[in-house]
Amino acid sequence: GQQLNQSPQSMFIQEGEDVSMNCTSSSIFNTWLWYKQDPGEGPVLLIALYKAGELTSNGRLTAQFGITRKDSFLNISASIPSDVGIYFCAGRRIQGAQKLVFGQGTRLTINP
Amino acid sequence: DGGITQSPKYLFRKEGQNVTLSCEQNLNHDAMYWYRQDPGQGLRLIYYSQIVNDFQKGDIAEGYSVSREKKESFPLTVTSAQKNPTAFYLCASSETVSNQPQHFGDGTRLSIL
Repeated sequence: GQQLNQSPQSMFIQEGEDVSMNCTSSSIFNTWLWYKQDPGEGPVLLIALYKAGELTSNGRLTAQFGITRKDSFLNISASIPSDVGIYFCAGRRIQGAQKLVFGQGTRLTINP
Repeated sequence: DGGITQSPKYLFRKEGQNVTLSCEQNLNHDAMYWYRQDPGQGLRLIYYSQIVNDFQKGDIAEGYSVSREKKESFPLTVTSAQKNPTAFYLCASSETVSNQPQHFGDGTRLSIL
């Protein structure tokens, strides 16, 4: 099955820095979701986006549904140690909307 | 508290053995899903169920089977036909299949003895 193109695959940053990651697809999506996964646990939903151009915040996290409907972005401002983990994007295509398509994840490491 | 419970947390399978992973939800969600996660990979869909007594194959259903006899339960059996079963298995649920976000359990790690 198709997976989304998520980048970067990994990031090594200093505490306090801002973080940006994105997902792209060749297909049009009607929903974008962003999840965070800690080691040995299940993904936790961070932000859900349902409309092209939508910009939604959750504390220090901000995500956007791209206007082309083929991409989405997640930004984390002023990173802290507990932001460490793997971030996944997921989307629903208009065709085959029963299934979520996942990116391969962005592993975030923070140097204190 | 409402949520999704997966058990066991760790499971070991012998060659030629079938094993069953449990997934229970008390969120009153109609839809449930099983995913497989391999190291450094995203999630791949094994099976999903839109409603009780119904389920559909996902992208990697070979070597797996499921049942949905109750709304709150969606067990996954990893059969001996699955030749590479070592992975992290995640169960999820959503209110419906269509546009609602999926919420995940904490996973079961399956290893081969």
